[in-house]
Amino acid sequence: EPEVTQTPSHQVTQMGQEVILRCVPISNHLYFYWYRQILGQKVEFLVSFYNNEISEKSEIFDDQFSVERPDGSNFTLKIRSTKLEDSAMYFCASSEGVRQDLTYGYTFGSGTRLTVV
Amino acid sequence: AQSVTQLDSQVPVFEEAPVELRCNYSSSVSVYLFWYVQYPNQGLQLLLKYLSGSTLVKGINGFEAEFNKSQTSFHLRKPSVHISDTAEYFCAVRGTSYGKLTFGQGTILTVHP
Repeated sequence: EPEVTQTPSHQVTQMGQEVILRCVPISNHLYFYWYRQILGQKVEFLVSFYNNEISEKSEIFDDQFSVERPDGSNFTLKIRSTKLEDSAMYFCASSEGVRQDLTYGYTFGSGTRLTVV
Repeated sequence: AQSVTQLDSQVPVFEEAPVELRCNYSSSVSVYLFWYVQYPNQGLQLLLKYLSGSTLVKGINGFEAEFNKSQTSFHLRKPSVHISDTAEYFCAVRGTSYGKLTFGQGTILTVHP
């Protein structure tokens, strides 16, 4: 069964450092997403990406965050200057599309646990 | 905008007992509804989804859920749980046009022998 792959599974970084979280979505999927889950809290939407541009973003996704699909297979989330409160599990997801004849459930990766110290 | 409330943060249950995990949602538009499961140290796995049609939806691992539009609920049930069902379960909604998933806060199901 196709999978969404995320690397690394766990990353520890110092406050103020830049981090890049990497994801390889399912190959025929067109929509890509990042979500995060702070320990003990809800899974929260960050951003969606379609046709090489951001299609929707939450208020969490401020100027410190950016996304990119640099080579047609990887989908990355960059945090420019990490804060302690960025510590969370970050999930990548992809979906085929949104038309009624397509599957609407997203496929999620296993997540990257980011710890900012 | 949508919101999801999972009424129980933790549900302890004995093996082979039935279980119901409750989910209520609010939305100003028509929605699709989902249940995801997260096993320890793993990602989110789709259990089942409601898009349209029959309000009783069957998913993987013997789980089912019933969509109740009048009560805006989508409760998850299993008639007999196993130790291996111990996990965190998330209810989620999205609008029927393009849009993000909105998750509930999760329910930790713990199955005791």
